[in-house]
Amino acid sequence: DQQVKQNSPSLSVQEGRISILNCDYTNSMFDYFLWYKKYPAEGPTFLISISSIKDKNEDGRFTVFLNKSAKHLSLHIVPSQPGDSAVYFCAASFPGNQFYFGTGTSLTVIP
Amino acid sequence: DGGITQSPKYLFRKEGQNVTLSCEQNLNHDAMYWYRQDPGQGLRLIYYSQIVNDFQKGDIAEGYSVSREKKESFPLTVTSAQKNPTAFYLCASTGQISNQPQHFGDGTRLSIL
Repeated sequence: DQQVKQNSPSLSVQEGRISILNCDYTNSMFDYFLWYKKYPAEGPTFLISISSIKDKNEDGRFTVFLNKSAKHLSLHIVPSQPGDSAVYFCAASFPGNQFYFGTGTSLTVIP
Repeated sequence: DGGITQSPKYLFRKEGQNVTLSCEQNLNHDAMYWYRQDPGQGLRLIYYSQIVNDFQKGDIAEGYSVSREKKESFPLTVTSAQKNPTAFYLCASTGQISNQPQHFGDGTRLSIL
């Protein structure tokens, strides 16, 4: 059973606009959430994370929002750049350091 | 420069053959993980190890084996019992403290000859 879900396999956005990637989870015991960026034939690169005690975390152009009541996580990229084109995975973990990953969303930023 | 090194980048397996994928880290991380990625799917956990000489099965451990004799090394063997081994394999590590991200290697692409 998929505990972390990304329901949009792909997303296209114009350069300069906002990209919003969404993620839903089912296990209320998750206490740490992450976003990774992945290029083909490479390993995922950590992007940004958020603890369950927060509802927002910002790092430059990237902001992660956590809505615990809805069990929903989102990543906002503003402004989007062509170099942001990649597959984005959300992940969640609970104490014990076992991580669960979504199926990924392929983002294309159109110049 | 600290990181995770996976080798080889590409690997081919013949029918009935066991192959071993290497994963080495110099991040001084305690926990190490092996994932499998198939097209259109997320990362599925094969095995993980929180400490030397100890490891646990993940969701898809059948047909795979691991060892953890040294902190920095966590090799994965794909045995002949794994009937569909063609995939992209990723190794990751993280520190013992909770709420730290995993760091990943660049992966090994395994194909069947």
